[in-house]
Amino acid sequence: DQQVKQNSPSLSVQEGRISILNCDYTNSMFDYFLWYKKYPAEGPTFLISISSIKDKNEDGRFTVFLNKSAKHLSLHIVPSQPGDSAVYFCAASARGTYKYIFGTGTRLKVLA
Amino acid sequence: GAVVSQHPSRVICKSGTSVKIECRSLDFQATTMFWYRQFPKQSLMLMATSNEGSKATYEQGVEKDKFLINHASLTLSTLTVTSAHPEDSSFYICSARLTSGRDQETQYFGPGTRLLVL
Repeated sequence: DQQVKQNSPSLSVQEGRISILNCDYTNSMFDYFLWYKKYPAEGPTFLISISSIKDKNEDGRFTVFLNKSAKHLSLHIVPSQPGDSAVYFCAASARGTYKYIFGTGTRLKVLA
Repeated sequence: GAVVSQHPSRVICKSGTSVKIECRSLDFQATTMFWYRQFPKQSLMLMATSNEGSKATYEQGVEKDKFLINHASLTLSTLTVTSAHPEDSSFYICSARLTSGRDQETQYFGPGTRLLVL
């Protein structure tokens, strides 16, 4: 039972345009969400997080949107850069458990 | 800040041997560390939660006698894969969360350890 899903295994975007990565979850107990970027054979790098009391969090080129009623979150990267090419994982946690459930990942390719 | 290291970065061992992987938080104290494994092109799966000074908590389906976890200090957790078999070959990643401050919900990950069992 996949509690956190990223339905797009891959995404290609032109440099300078917006990248939108999506993530859906099923467990209503999740109240903290994160996005990580990962290169092959490396550990994930934290990008941005959002608590369920918010519906948007912004950090530089990265913005995360949370739609609790739809159990959906998205990561917007604008403008996209070739260095953003990587696999992006969303993760969800029930606050206080400190345990993450990861999505299946989306491979982003930013074309120069 | 919030740097996590792992050692070794890759290891090749013979079937039946044991392998120890270290996870260290370099610039912060971590009461809780986590161990994940990732198979090729799959997601990260939480194996266990490692608590300093107490027994690890294992996720369903993870054999605690096979994957021994020790969290001896606030900056070090070790994972020992005992009697390794080829099916244990995987990418093992640890993470740690801050003990104090407002960012306790965020986990910081190590670079991972590639284990190949022949």
